[in-house]
Amino acid sequence: GESVGLHLPTLSVQEGDNSIINCAYSNSASDYFIWYKQESGKGPQFIIDIRSNMDKRQGQRVTVLLNKTVKHLSLQIAATQPGDSAVYFCAENAGGTSYGKLTFGQGTILTVHP
Amino acid sequence: GAGVSQTPSNKVTEKGKYVELRCDPISGHTALYWYRQSLGQGPEFLIYFQGTGAADDSGLPNDRFFAVRPEGSVSTLKIQRTERGDSAVYLCASSLTRATNEKLFFGSGTQLSVL
Repeated sequence: GESVGLHLPTLSVQEGDNSIINCAYSNSASDYFIWYKQESGKGPQFIIDIRSNMDKRQGQRVTVLLNKTVKHLSLQIAATQPGDSAVYFCAENAGGTSYGKLTFGQGTILTVHP
Repeated sequence: GAGVSQTPSNKVTEKGKYVELRCDPISGHTALYWYRQSLGQGPEFLIYFQGTGAADDSGLPNDRFFAVRPEGSVSTLKIQRTERGDSAVYLCASSLTRATNEKLFFGSGTQLSVL
């Protein structure tokens, strides 16, 4: 879900559980999507990306799923660790631009309890 | 090698003052971006440089904001007559090329506080 202002969606999990973070994007013309992780006091850090001609992509412990029909993106983190605690943002590159002009979602706070 | 470096990490200024925020991109990266992140929000695009030129400045809020990249490397974001609403984290990112799917590497940002 999405929230306004300071009330970011939150997800709290136990260490070792799998986490799923969801994101709804707005622009049906977007052709490239990225998940970023942001820790306190740091800039966003690239996690994984996916192009619009794919519906699934896997990385190390992470999987991104794309459902273009409902404009939905999800990030799955396997065996979540305390170091995964951060704010997670989805971002879309609007179709029609040939450079890294990204539109970010509002973010989800992930807290992993030991 | 070093990542994207931004200075200062924190800047406190008074309403109406002028500020400059500096970004040192990763060496060899031709594309440079400025984003702004307000508390509890995702980053918002401000401006994109390809080389020395500002190829897209559509995200700059108004004419108090200006950015330069005179030698195609270091960039400076300049804000005139600062307002309290300008308070935010200003993030710089760079990428090796301008390609749509090129990874953006972000700096840690400058936290600007306008009193």
